[in-house]
Amino acid sequence: NAGVTQTPKFQVLKTGQSMTLQCAQDMNHNSMYWYRQDPGMGLRLIYYSASEGTTDKGEVPNGYNVSRLNKREFSLRLESAAPSQTSVYFCASKKAGSYEQYFGPGTRLTVT
Amino acid sequence: AQSVAQPEDQVNVAEGNPLTVKCTYSVSGNPYLFWYVQYPNRGLQFLLKYITGDNLVKGSYGFEAEFNKSQTSFHLKKPSALVSDSALYFCAVRDGDTDRNYQLIWGAGTKLIIKP
Repeated sequence: NAGVTQTPKFQVLKTGQSMTLQCAQDMNHNSMYWYRQDPGMGLRLIYYSASEGTTDKGEVPNGYNVSRLNKREFSLRLESAAPSQTSVYFCASKKAGSYEQYFGPGTRLTVT
Repeated sequence: AQSVAQPEDQVNVAEGNPLTVKCTYSVSGNPYLFWYVQYPNRGLQFLLKYITGDNLVKGSYGFEAEFNKSQTSFHLKKPSALVSDSALYFCAVRDGDTDRNYQLIWGAGTKLIIKP
């Protein structure tokens, strides 16, 4: 099993450009999450999906949209990137009834 | 409001010595507490959790954590540190009494450096 995979690993965008971060898990988990990690701030939840077909806002949703394409895939879209969105983005998943989240390797995004 | 504090940005320990990484929390209901570790350029990995039961919980790689309700703390410990324990450690909390049960609140992280 690959676990949680994320693409791309690195990305540089210019202000105003758009892009989609892809996440997939092969563990048949119900819940999926998108976080951003900034120095000295820990992880902040952007959006989550409790189950296929549902999505909900987290702590810092502004400037982002998500799609739970199917049970495996949960994508994060930046419609008009801003320098404040420079960060490392992590996708995670969780099995129903469990507490442990499994994380992908992250995407390092720089917006200039 | 829920919050997690990791008061030390960095902890330095000599190899073979015991280590402690501190975490305090604030939730309105019953706390569900977690420790995760992040190695350089990697995603986070689950170490251990406290949900209910014994205050001392054991986890991966020889780590353990002690839940102290009166001090609202959940410190991570290991009796004998290894150089390979050097990493970034995150404490997280969830309010176990809320229906909004998908959101963890994360601490800022503590960098643990084990010196040979």
